[in-house]
Amino acid sequence: DIQMTQSPSSLSASVGDRVTITCRASQGISNSLAWYQQKPGKAPKLLLYAASRLESGVPSRFSGSGSGTDYTLTISSLQPEDFATYYCQHQGWTFGQGTKVEIK
Amino acid sequence: QVTLKESGPVLVKPTETLTLTCTVSGFSLSNARMGVSWIRQPPGKALEWLAHIFSNDEKSYSTSLKSRLTISKDTSKSQVVLTMTNMDPVDTATYYCARRNSGYDFHYYYYMDVWGKGTTVTVSS
Repeated sequence: DIQMTQSPSSLSASVGDRVTITCRASQGISNSLAWYQQKPGKAPKLLLYAASRLESGVPSRFSGSGSGTDYTLTISSLQPEDFATYYCQHQGWTFGQGTKVEIK
Repeated sequence: QVTLKESGPVLVKPTETLTLTCTVSGFSLSNARMGVSWIRQPPGKALEWLAHIFSNDEKSYSTSLKSRLTISKDTSKSQVVLTMTNMDPVDTATYYCARRNSGYDFHYYYYMDVWGKGTTVTVSS
């Protein structure tokens, strides 16, 4: 099974900061990677799929990039509503362990 | 509008079998591009994918839980059912069902675009 490793596991940032979260696969995954945002008590919400395609309705400050084994989620200017936990997922199967974005 | 809704018991006893139902609307379980997965999340922990059923009735299971899981669907009722045997307190979690969608761009890619709100299951005697 392919393993997905996210880093960092948590981070503190301020409104307006640029935030980057990394997801590394144990082997190449050909851009079959999705990113989700989850707020406490809520179901995850799809942000990006196919590594870089923005889901309809998701703000353009979210972007994704990467290839092979290494992928990145970037929030260009953190907004108050972006404080949440973010997960990567390969192939609709394996999830990363999550990155909690907290207010500094 | 596409929706998924989980239902099942709130409380189960250790060693019992859990049966959860996901009722979908707005799409067909026979749509070739789509399938339905079950995912769980223990309190304060990460998401864990459990099982998936494809439109052609093929199934896929988490390697670590395969021996305890069975997924099935009733297309006419728009329902997907997950059973998990021999429940233990460590199985206490919120259980979600989600639609797995797919696309192709030189390679196939997959993602869960619509999720249910989840159902919380506690395992306790």
